[in-house]
Formats: sequence, C-alpha cells, structure tokens
Amino acid sequence: AQRVTQPEKLLSVFKGAPVELKCNYSYSGSPELFWYVQYSRQRLQLLLRHISRESIKGFTADLNKGETSFHLKKPFAQEEDSAMYYCALAPLRNTDKLIFGTGTRLQVFP
Amino acid sequence: DTAVSQTPKYLVTQMGNDKSIKCEQNLGHDTMYWYKQDSKKFLKIMFSYNNKELIINETVPNRFSPKSPDKAHLNLHINSLELGDSAVYFCASSLAGAGTGELFFGEGSRLTVL
Repeated sequence: AQRVTQPEKLLSVFKGAPVELKCNYSYSGSPELFWYVQYSRQRLQLLLRHISRESIKGFTADLNKGETSFHLKKPFAQEEDSAMYYCALAPLRNTDKLIFGTGTRLQVFP
Repeated sequence: DTAVSQTPKYLVTQMGNDKSIKCEQNLGHDTMYWYKQDSKKFLKIMFSYNNKELIINETVPNRFSPKSPDKAHLNLHINSLELGDSAVYFCASSLAGAGTGELFFGEGSRLTVL
C-alpha cells in the first residue's frame, strides 16, 4: 500500500537551531515526492519537490531510496518557519493522486 | 484575483441536512480536486476531475457527489450529513496533474455537523 508517514506531530526548536522534519514513504516504484507548507492563516502551498533538487527558504530535502525517506532539513531555523509541514507522494508520474502524510507542526521559538 | 476560491468558508448544519461547497479556479488549470482534512489534520483525496471528467473517486460514500459544470468549477454536494463528515474540505487545482506539477489549494471550508 502507498503510504506517507510523518512520525512527529510537533517539533519545537529555538531560533538558529537545525531542523529536520522526518518523512518516510511506502511505495514499490519510483515516487515523486514533495513538501507542502501551511503558514498560519494561509493556504497550503508547495515548498519543494525532490525532482527539482532545489533549496527553498533554506530548506532542502534529499530522497533516500534505500531508507525510503525524504526528510526536510534546514540548518538554522527562523521564527517565520513556524508552520504545518506535509510530506506528499505521487505514486506514478503524471498521476492525479497525491498522498499526504499526517503533517508535522514546526514551532520555532525566539 | 484569488486563484482558487471556495465558498462558504464555514458551514454549521444539523445531521441529515444536505449542503454544498463551491470551488472555482481562475488559473486555467485542467485538473481539480477535493481533499478532506480530518480533526487529526490528515489530508486525504476524495475526488479528482480532469476537464470535467471524473478521474479519481477514493471510495467516498455516495452521499458525496462532485459536480463540474466546466473545468473552472468543481462543486461538492453532500446529502444526509453525518457527524463524521465534520472536517475541513479543501479544493485544489493543477495544470499538469499532481505527479509532475504543483497543486494550488483553496483556503478550505470548515464543515461542522451537529
């Protein structure tokens, strides 16, 4: 079965500390993986996708097929990073089905 | 100039009633979706339409009926509302499908069934 697991419901760090939001997936093929973010009072929006190998707002995520993980990392957290983060998987390229994890709330304290 | 708009934002109703949530996108996208977010913040796809045709129906009870009058609109009608239908319903759209493109979400419609 295709599944996305985010083991932490809440992650709290202080400003300037490193952040790692964990994401593990279950899928037998080659998935497309994404991180979406929802800031307070804003819409859910795409943060980054693994295929682009990009760094957005200082965040990066590396696909590790051996560990079936796609953890989101940032070396120095900022208060404005506080938000709800969702890892998502698209099972097949060009599919219309995006499977979301349960989300992790990141709180960055000053 | 909102990209994906949903109405109403909040809906409080009694069990057994019928209600609708409307969604419109002005991005020119071909694919639209309805997602349900439960009380634990779990986001699950319900339906996907591509150019007015149903693509995905994720074993949603048939009390839920999506309707797409044109590719810019995807409405969700719910009959005989139950307590378990209480959730936030998100509409979204994409140009190239979720696998290759980006989903643009509406602000959500919070449905409370009493």
